Amino acid sequence: QKEVEQNSGPLSVPEGAIASLNCTYSDRGSQSFFWYRQYSGKSPELIMFIYSNGDKEDGRFTAQLNKASQYVSLLIRDSQPSDSATYLCAVTPSNSGYALNFGKGTSLLVTP
Amino acid sequence: DAGITQSPRHKVTETGTPVTLRCHQTENHRYMYWYRQDPGHGLRLIHYSYGVKDTDKGEVSDGYSVSRSKTEDFLLTLESATSSQTSVYFCAISGGGTDTQYFGPGTRLTVL
Repeated sequence: QKEVEQNSGPLSVPEGAIASLNCTYSDRGSQSFFWYRQYSGKSPELIMFIYSNGDKEDGRFTAQLNKASQYVSLLIRDSQPSDSATYLCAVTPSNSGYALNFGKGTSLLVTP
Repeated sequence: DAGITQSPRHKVTETGTPVTLRCHQTENHRYMYWYRQDPGHGLRLIHYSYGVKDTDKGEVSDGYSVSRSKTEDFLLTLESATSSQTSVYFCAISGGGTDTQYFGPGTRLTVL
């Protein structure tokens, strides 16, 4: 089983700050990378996906991918208390085009 | 939840009884997945389907079976439920093998 590692947190940031969430993966052949947000008691919802090295921005969210370092991150600018949730990193494994390997998630707490 | 429903949403059952969970989609997506989510383990793939009557095992398939007789329905069966199968079960769908997966609302199953 290829590994996807995330710091479990909780990561605590003040309102308005930048939250930085990190994920490393062991499968060097992985091609697709996803960030999901999951509120307590709810299902995961997609925030962003990224396929190419570099940055991808969508509103307050920026995904960063570095395949050489096997590292993907999610930046949340102007963090809001409503961003408090668990963030899941997911990676498409190289030996299967049909499934995702998920990290265990990082808990983010944005304090007013 | 991207046109995905799961039933039942909550179920309490006793050890040794059979249980069937249903996932229904209105998106006409080819791929469907069953995951379980447990504290400390994150999301783990149980089984997935890449078409009607086409299914395959995931990481934690022991004790589970699936069936897909129609594009829109994917059933997960626990033939003889055990307490270790107490979990939250999520169904997901995607249009293509490496496409984004969208999750249903989940089923909370308790096996006493």
